[in-house]
Amino acid sequence: AQKITQTQPGMFVQEKEAVTLDCTYDTSDQSYGLFWYKQPSSGEMIFLIYQGSYDEQNATEGRYSLNFQKARKSANLVISASQLGDSAMYFCAMREGLHTGTASKLTFGTGTRLQVTL
Amino acid sequence: GAGVSQSPSNKVTEKGKDVELRCDPISGHTALYWYRQSLGQGLEFLIYFQGNSAPDKSGLPSDRFSAERTGGSVSTLTIQRTQQEDSAVYLCASSDREFSSGNTIYFGEGSWLTVV
Repeated sequence: AQKITQTQPGMFVQEKEAVTLDCTYDTSDQSYGLFWYKQPSSGEMIFLIYQGSYDEQNATEGRYSLNFQKARKSANLVISASQLGDSAMYFCAMREGLHTGTASKLTFGTGTRLQVTL
Repeated sequence: GAGVSQSPSNKVTEKGKDVELRCDPISGHTALYWYRQSLGQGLEFLIYFQGNSAPDKSGLPSDRFSAERTGGSVSTLTIQRTQQEDSAVYLCASSDREFSSGNTIYFGEGSWLTVV
C-alpha cells in the first residue's frame, strides 16, 4: 500500500482564492511527522509546513495551513489568498518512528501540480 | 555553509562511465538523505545516513549505486557503469535533532545527471 497518497495530479485556482491540496497517509506508528514541500520549475525543494502526530493544533505558516485529521489519516494543505508565484509542484511527505530512536526516511507522495490563474 | 550544498550541479556523462555526486550537509546535521527524481516524477528514496548508525540502503536500485558518508559530514553518491535510465536529478537533504518533534529536513538544489 502507498504510504502517502496525493489523488490530485493537477489543480487550478484563481489568484486570491484559497485552495486545498489533498494528502492521505498510511502508518501504524503512533509517532510520526507530516511535511509539505513546494517544488517550483527551478527544481529546488522548499519546506512549507510540518505537523507532528502529537500536535493538537493544526500547523500554520503564513498563508499555509495544514488541516490535520488524525482519525482519517489526512493532512491536507490549505493555501489561502493564492498568488501567481504559488504555481508549482507540491509534495506531501511523512517520516515515521519519531521519538522512538528509529526515525526513518522521508516518504513522498507523487505530488500535485498547482496552477494559479489570473 | 548556510544550506545543503551539492556538486556538481550538472553532469553529462557517457554510458558506462562512473560518476560521483557530492553532498555537503548543513553543519551539525546528523541525518543525511539521498533521493532521485526523474523528469516529471516524484522523489524516490535511495539511502539514509543517521549519525553513527548503519545506513538505510533499502532504496538503492542496484549494486551499481553506493554511498559513503565520511566523518559524519560530507557524503558521496557513486554510480558505476552508468545507464541512460540513471538520468535524473539527485537530491541530497539533511536534518538535525534527529528524534525531536520539530525537526525539518532541508534539501540541496540537486545534481542533474544526464547519461548519453
